[in-house]
Amino acid sequence: EAQVTQNPRYLITVTGKKLTVTCSQNMNHEYMSWYRQDPGLGLRQIYYSMNVEVTDKGDVPEGYKVSRKEKRNFPLILESPSPNQTSLYFCASRWESYNEQFFGPGTRLTVL
Amino acid sequence: QKEVEQDPGPLSVPEGAIVSLNCTYSNSAFQYFMWYRQYSRKGPELLMYTYSSGNKEDGRFTAQVDKSSKYISLFIRDSQPSDSATYLCAMTLISSGSARQLTFGSGTQLTVLP
Repeated sequence: EAQVTQNPRYLITVTGKKLTVTCSQNMNHEYMSWYRQDPGLGLRQIYYSMNVEVTDKGDVPEGYKVSRKEKRNFPLILESPSPNQTSLYFCASRWESYNEQFFGPGTRLTVL
Repeated sequence: QKEVEQDPGPLSVPEGAIVSLNCTYSNSAFQYFMWYRQYSRKGPELLMYTYSSGNKEDGRFTAQVDKSSKYISLFIRDSQPSDSATYLCAMTLISSGSARQLTFGSGTQLTVLP
């Protein structure tokens, strides 16, 4: 089944404790991205990647890191999480030549 | 001012009603327009996609784009309880070599009452 998977689905952590949210897609998509979704603000792009080893900042990159060492994986790293990073996070992927994005199921992160 | 404005709702309608969901945008360079549907505790999924002014139909759904007014709409006919979800408009630029990033509206939460 074609899909984007994220882990974990739910995470509660404390300020300053490094964490990684994994994202994997099995559709051989070139383009992957991370979004956060907050009430009243909609989906905002954090980082995106056009292919292996090619990443760039989205609209709200502060406090986040990403890497793209393999085509299928695009982990999101929070080196020192803060409470304002409490949010619902989505990973998405697509082929470069198409606009349809396929979203993962989301990761709900709470930073205390 | 946000690039894309969407009425957040919530919107509650009886089963069978016609629903109109709307977005306005400020960037006249947007060329591709999409509607995503997001069920509770799920990721968004593409519902409709259009790139020209006018109407596009797909079953009970009609996407309408008015580029001169910078206004897009999604109409749902004969709404069903299974249509209850958050609907997000999204749009992107035409730009060769760009990452074609999507700009999303904030979403409208719709509930269709049986």
